[in-house]
Amino acid sequence: EAQVTQNPRYLITVTGKKLTVTCSQNMNHEYMSWYRQDPGLGLRQIYYSMNVEVTDKGDVPEGYKVSRKEKRNFPLILESPSPNQTSLYFCASSLSKGRASPLHFGNGTRLTVT
Amino acid sequence: DAKTTQPPSMDCAEGRAANLPCNHSTISGNEYVYWYRQIHSQGPQYIIHGLKNNETNEMASLIITEDRKSSTLILPHATLRDTAVYYCILYNQGGKLIFGQGTELSVKP
Repeated sequence: EAQVTQNPRYLITVTGKKLTVTCSQNMNHEYMSWYRQDPGLGLRQIYYSMNVEVTDKGDVPEGYKVSRKEKRNFPLILESPSPNQTSLYFCASSLSKGRASPLHFGNGTRLTVT
Repeated sequence: DAKTTQPPSMDCAEGRAANLPCNHSTISGNEYVYWYRQIHSQGPQYIIHGLKNNETNEMASLIITEDRKSSTLILPHATLRDTAVYYCILYNQGGKLIFGQGTELSVKP
């Protein structure tokens, strides 16, 4: 089944403890992206990648890192998480950056930083 | 960046058509209009997209005005399972998809 898989679904951690949220897609998509969703603020893009080894900042990149060493994987790294990064995170992918390529979203990772 | 404006909420009776409006008065000539929906806190689901012409698929129809400054998503026979937040989005050539606040559609029996 074609899908975007995020892990973990839920994560509770403490301030400053490095963590990684994994994202994998099995559709051979070139474009991948991370979003965070907060009440009243909607979905905001954190980082995106147009292909392997190509990443760029979205609207809210501060405090996050990403890497794209393989086409299928696009992990989100929080080197030193803070409580303001408590949020619902979504990974998404599409065939290309092209305008006729719909995004496929994962089921989300709910992160709580205490 | 081009942005969209949607009503925050709408109600629709089950079995009736749901018409969700979206304003995008600053849309660029080559930007597509995309619609997604999000049920509870699940990942957003793609519905439909278009550029100039009206589009229809198994889920919905998309009507885009001739000046492209607004569009309407039509769910022809809404069911309770269509209750969700619906997002109207413009594709940004810089690679940034800008999600607005969306419309919370409640389908009532």
